Amino acid sequence: GIQVEQSPPDLILQEGANSTLRCNFSDSVNNLQWFHQNPWGQLINLFYIPSGTKQNGRLSATTVATERYSLLYISSSQTTDSGVYFCAVLGGSNYKLTFGKGTLLTVNP
Amino acid sequence: DAGITQSPRHKVTETGTPVTLRCHQTENHRYMYWYRQDPGHGLRLIHYSYGVKDTDKGEVSDGYSVSRSKTEDFLLTLESATSSQTSVYFCAISERADTQYFGPGTRLTVL
Repeated sequence: GIQVEQSPPDLILQEGANSTLRCNFSDSVNNLQWFHQNPWGQLINLFYIPSGTKQNGRLSATTVATERYSLLYISSSQTTDSGVYFCAVLGGSNYKLTFGKGTLLTVNP
Repeated sequence: DAGITQSPRHKVTETGTPVTLRCHQTENHRYMYWYRQDPGHGLRLIHYSYGVKDTDKGEVSDGYSVSRSKTEDFLLTLESATSSQTSVYFCAISERADTQYFGPGTRLTVL
């Protein structure tokens, strides 16, 4: 099956800093999503981005499908951005999302 | 937010007992999924459904069964719970097998 690797595994920032999270995947995909899991455990869908670039406020994402990677950019980070960021991909003809192990982001005030 | 609820939200049970977790949606989405989340493993798919009475296995389906008798409900059953099934269980829904929306999760502890 598809392998999904996220980097870095952990990231600590001061409030106001920018960051880039990376997701590499091992095969062509039909679907790529970024999720944020907040410290209370809730999983929030950030982007559906199988290719191209999208922006939502301080967050943006870019997927280069031909090179099998996606990037999530967080600008002017806030303490509420803390949590785990997951990349998940779906490839082939099935409906199964494969998740990476996530990046744990801690934003300190 | 997508209308997804899970019940119960927390459960403690003993090894060998049957357990059923319920996922309920108000979005009329076709696809529904059950995942488990464990430290070091991320989220892993247990079972999914692509329509009423249509289900298929995910990557960690052993020891679990599912049923979907109507669009809005997807049940996950542990026939005989084991300590290895202690986990946080998430339900997700999707309209066209693209963007998935997650429920709040159920924390299950098997003693």
